[in-house]
Amino acid sequence: DAGITQSPRHKVTETGTPVTLRCHQTENHRYMYWYRQDPGHGLRLIHYSYGVKDTDKGEVSDGYSVSRSKTEDFLLTLESATSSQTSVYFCAISEWRDPYNEQFFGPGTRLTVL
Amino acid sequence: KQEVTQIPAALSVPEGENLVLNCSFTDSAIYNLQWFRQDPGKGLTSLLLIQSSQREQTSGRLNASLDKSSGRSTLYIAASQPGDSATYLCAVETSYDKVIFGPGTSLSVIP
Repeated sequence: DAGITQSPRHKVTETGTPVTLRCHQTENHRYMYWYRQDPGHGLRLIHYSYGVKDTDKGEVSDGYSVSRSKTEDFLLTLESATSSQTSVYFCAISEWRDPYNEQFFGPGTRLTVL
Repeated sequence: KQEVTQIPAALSVPEGENLVLNCSFTDSAIYNLQWFRQDPGKGLTSLLLIQSSQREQTSGRLNASLDKSSGRSTLYIAASQPGDSATYLCAVETSYDKVIFGPGTSLSVIP
């Protein structure tokens, strides 16, 4: 499972509240990703990181911010949660397996915004 | 813009049947294509990865093929079992570490 954990695994919150999801990896991978998965849309990239303090936006980054102050932790923050952000959030890492990268995923966080 | 589609969206087969899942992508400039399995309420498990220079990869009862020129990949599952029931997703890496996912095919294998 590439040593990826996510916390919390489930969260229910109210519209307008801030929410932070945590992804933790134990194998010193450089690249980390946050995706959301919604019916009819598949997985969509929110943000990704290519090193400590190095992040970039993905396809659906509006309303989300990320931080990576340590190699092992990648945080996703919803500054002011909205009902449209109800989703399952997956963290992933990219492992270099010469000559290609292969992605591995965490178990997911189910977020409900009421 | 790269788009990935999967047909069919859902499939139900009797146990023991061989089956094929399809994945199509619009831009042939890919680094690799990866097939994943997702069980209900769980994360994604990597099944097979085909590099852009390869034509196919095999793992046990699974065989994945890649035809870049036509923008297609197939996942062949031999002698299906109820334990194969899951959603299968394909994903293409379009640039260094940018991965686009298809919507998935939900497979049900009936005992």
